[in-house]
Amino acid sequence: EADIYQTPRYLVIGTGKKITLECSQTMGHDKMYWYQQDPGMELHLIHYSYGVNSTEKGDLSSESTVSRIRTEHFPLTLESARPSHTSQYLCASSRLADYNEQFFGPGTRLTVL
Amino acid sequence: DQQVKQNSPSLSVQEGRISILNCDYTNSMFDYFLWYKKYPAEGPTFLISISSIKDKNEDGRFTVFLNKSAKHLSLHIVPSQPGDSAVYFCAASETGTASKLTFGTGTRLQVTL
Repeated sequence: EADIYQTPRYLVIGTGKKITLECSQTMGHDKMYWYQQDPGMELHLIHYSYGVNSTEKGDLSSESTVSRIRTEHFPLTLESARPSHTSQYLCASSRLADYNEQFFGPGTRLTVL
Repeated sequence: DQQVKQNSPSLSVQEGRISILNCDYTNSMFDYFLWYKKYPAEGPTFLISISSIKDKNEDGRFTVFLNKSAKHLSLHIVPSQPGDSAVYFCAASETGTASKLTFGTGTRLQVTL
């Protein structure tokens, strides 16, 4: 069973605030990912990591940043939230080799007023 | 440019009958394909996958078919059950790209009694 956690599940915040979305996994997976999904749309990759101290930008440009100091932890930070950041953010992890499925967390629904 | 397309936003099927969900892709470099199921307010859950060296993969009630020449894959669910009602996402990846997934927009399946 996949063990990947995201907090908070829901966040409503005002414009200009700094926020950090937490993601942790207990499976020892090397690869971790952040996706953004708007209602009725596909998931878009915004960040990924091969392992500790590795971070890469995904296919969708994002003003958010990520860090990977520990294998199990992959937080996403927005320095100054804007209404355009309102979306669902999904974290995932997978083993290092190719042809492995990604396991997803429950997501954080972010609303910026 | 959407590289993975699910042209049917919704599908309704009677309990016990077959559900067929379709997916088309445009990138000929994709060599690994996955289906995910998503309930509201949860993250996607991995269902089944297929690599490009195969044309069929089965797991219980779920079968995925891949037609590389047509760049088309389909998910068959037999028999359909009410608990299968969810949004189904098709995803694809290319070897050597950190297993980054490109998702379709999803098909909402409703299994009726």
